[in-house]
Amino acid sequence: QQQVKQSPQSLIVQKGGISIINCAYENTAFDYFPWYQQFPGKGPALLIAIRPDVSEKKEGRFTISFNKSAKQFSLHIMDSQPGDSATYFCAASPYSGNTPLVFGKGTRLSVIA
Amino acid sequence: NAGVMQNPRHLVRRRGQEARLRCSPMKGHSHVYWYRQLPEEGLKFMVYLQKENIIDESGMPKERFSAEFPKEGPSILRIQQVVRGDSAAYFCASSPRLAGGRETQYFGPGTRLLVL
Repeated sequence: QQQVKQSPQSLIVQKGGISIINCAYENTAFDYFPWYQQFPGKGPALLIAIRPDVSEKKEGRFTISFNKSAKQFSLHIMDSQPGDSATYFCAASPYSGNTPLVFGKGTRLSVIA
Repeated sequence: NAGVMQNPRHLVRRRGQEARLRCSPMKGHSHVYWYRQLPEEGLKFMVYLQKENIIDESGMPKERFSAEFPKEGPSILRIQQVVRGDSAAYFCASSPRLAGGRETQYFGPGTRLLVL
């Protein structure tokens, strides 16, 4: 019940295309869903986060879509660029309190020209 | 404002030795988390500390692993008698004092431990 399942494991997208990464969770206590971006040799960095009170959140080329009834959320990267090539992790936790994050296994994105 | 600092960045140990990983949180942050990342895996929570207190250690192995966050100085993750399976990247994250609601966790660059 603590798992967050992430897919696909790897993704290759043409420059200018849309990258889509999906995550699913089971724990109904989760109500905070961040996405982290990690470049090789670096620590994860927060990209964008959403709470269940909205179904979509957009920041620049990055959009989170959230489906509360299905307990699924996804990251869309519009106009993907080679500089977006990184590993992306979804995560989840209860919102209140500084509780630890439960991470998905990650998606390695490669954007090719 | 400097980010979360971890050292060393790379650590090589032989089986049976001790590994000490240090984490200095961002200025003003009083919450520290340690995560472990195995190759091709996501980050797994290990322990959550505040100054001088362990809040949640549910992800820590019962033996050989310990963590502290003293009143002064960095947080330390200590692994005694390391084994090859301890080889991983260890990340520290910090967040500000809880002021109601969710505080972002900021990650350090990690320590990559290799056990020979």
